[in-house]
Amino acid sequence: AQSVTQLDSQVPVFEEAPVELRCNYSSSVSVYLFWYVQYPNQGLQLLLKYLSGSTLVKGINGFEAEFNKSQTSFHLRKPSVHISDTAEYFCAVSPNTGGFKTIFGAGTRLFVKA
Amino acid sequence: EAQVTQNPRYLITVTGKKLTVTCSQNMNHEYMSWYRQDPGLGLRQIYYSMNVEVTDKGDVPEGYKVSRKEKRNFPLILESPSPNQTSLYFCASSPRIGTSDAQYFGPGTRLTVL
Repeated sequence: AQSVTQLDSQVPVFEEAPVELRCNYSSSVSVYLFWYVQYPNQGLQLLLKYLSGSTLVKGINGFEAEFNKSQTSFHLRKPSVHISDTAEYFCAVSPNTGGFKTIFGAGTRLFVKA
Repeated sequence: EAQVTQNPRYLITVTGKKLTVTCSQNMNHEYMSWYRQDPGLGLRQIYYSMNVEVTDKGDVPEGYKVSRKEKRNFPLILESPSPNQTSLYFCASSPRIGTSDAQYFGPGTRLTVL
């Protein structure tokens, strides 16, 4: 079984500051890792995903994430945030052994202040 | 435009009155899924479908039914809604069976059961 813990429910940050949203996971098998973003009144959309290979993954809108297998983490970072980055961010994992299950974290609400 | 559509977007109903939330995708995706989103709990999978006429339960299937008679459509049926089914519902699809593909989400349906 898999589980996902997003360590911060809310992250307030000033515009142009860097931000890190933390995600830890637990799994008995290898996993694929995802970050999704949900803007107000919209569905989720993919930011980035890690399947294999390089542990640093770049996504859309200047976001990147680093997979750390020893710490079972997949933290999301952006060096300089914009007001438009205000949204809820979800970390998700899926087992790479097949199957149809994706487990989502509880979400982190990023609030960018002017 | 490639998209997942859901209808209605907002619905207020009363306990016990049967309702259906429709979901349709125009990307010829094999895999479709329904989630509910509740504060502090993230997204929890209700049902999923691997292809036409093939469906299975997710983590929280009680009180819900689904059908997959056509590849593009995956309606969610609440035969006797109860207040604890008040939630935000998302339909999602992905290209292939398996979990390395990202999911494409609909805009959501906010359901209130009085």
